[in-house]
Amino acid sequence: DAGVIQSPRHEVTEMGQEVTLRCKPISGHNSLFWYRQTMMRGLELLIYFNNNVPIDDSGMPEDRFSAKMPNASFSTLKIQPSEPRDSAVYFCASSRADGNFYGYTFGSGTRLTVV
Amino acid sequence: GENVEQHPSTLSVQEGDSAVIKCTYSDSASNYFPWYKQELGKGPQLIIDIRSNVGEKKDQRIAVTLNKTAKHFSLHITETQPEDSAVYFCAAPPNSGYALNFGKGTSLLVTP
Repeated sequence: DAGVIQSPRHEVTEMGQEVTLRCKPISGHNSLFWYRQTMMRGLELLIYFNNNVPIDDSGMPEDRFSAKMPNASFSTLKIQPSEPRDSAVYFCASSRADGNFYGYTFGSGTRLTVV
Repeated sequence: GENVEQHPSTLSVQEGDSAVIKCTYSDSASNYFPWYKQELGKGPQLIIDIRSNVGEKKDQRIAVTLNKTAKHFSLHITETQPEDSAVYFCAAPPNSGYALNFGKGTSLLVTP
């Protein structure tokens, strides 16, 4: 397996523009997580899906953020409109979920810069 | 949720020495404790994990110990090498759900 694949690797956008981040989880993993990483706040959970259903989106900063998982092999995180404070590295991770905990496999991340 | 505290935030050791990173958690029901290594420009990578039915687990130069009574777990790296330099994160699950909460990370520098 190629691991968790995220795109793009880097994104520079102007304030107010829409940004879409993409993730392909590992085949067979039925949980998917979006995290945001900054120096000040570390790794923050934004949202996670189980079997394509959003389970907990309490970490989504505000209505400008939305996430979807239309099928088991694809998820998007959208920011509209983007603001400079959204600048961070966004990670997608996937895991098995069968009642036990398992380690996550992270993608390489998308470094977002909003100017 | 789960409050996970990690110490120290930075650690510098000489090559060949040992390094120890500690984490505490608040939920006594937590039963899974992974450690991740993040190299520059990459995502965190799972390096070792432990479940609550054991007190210690080793994998070559790395080991994790768990003290459920005190609610803390530690990462031990022996015979450190420069390639061990990275940021290390501990994590613990909440008492429900599958979303790990991460510590703030420890930046480890191994100097030759």
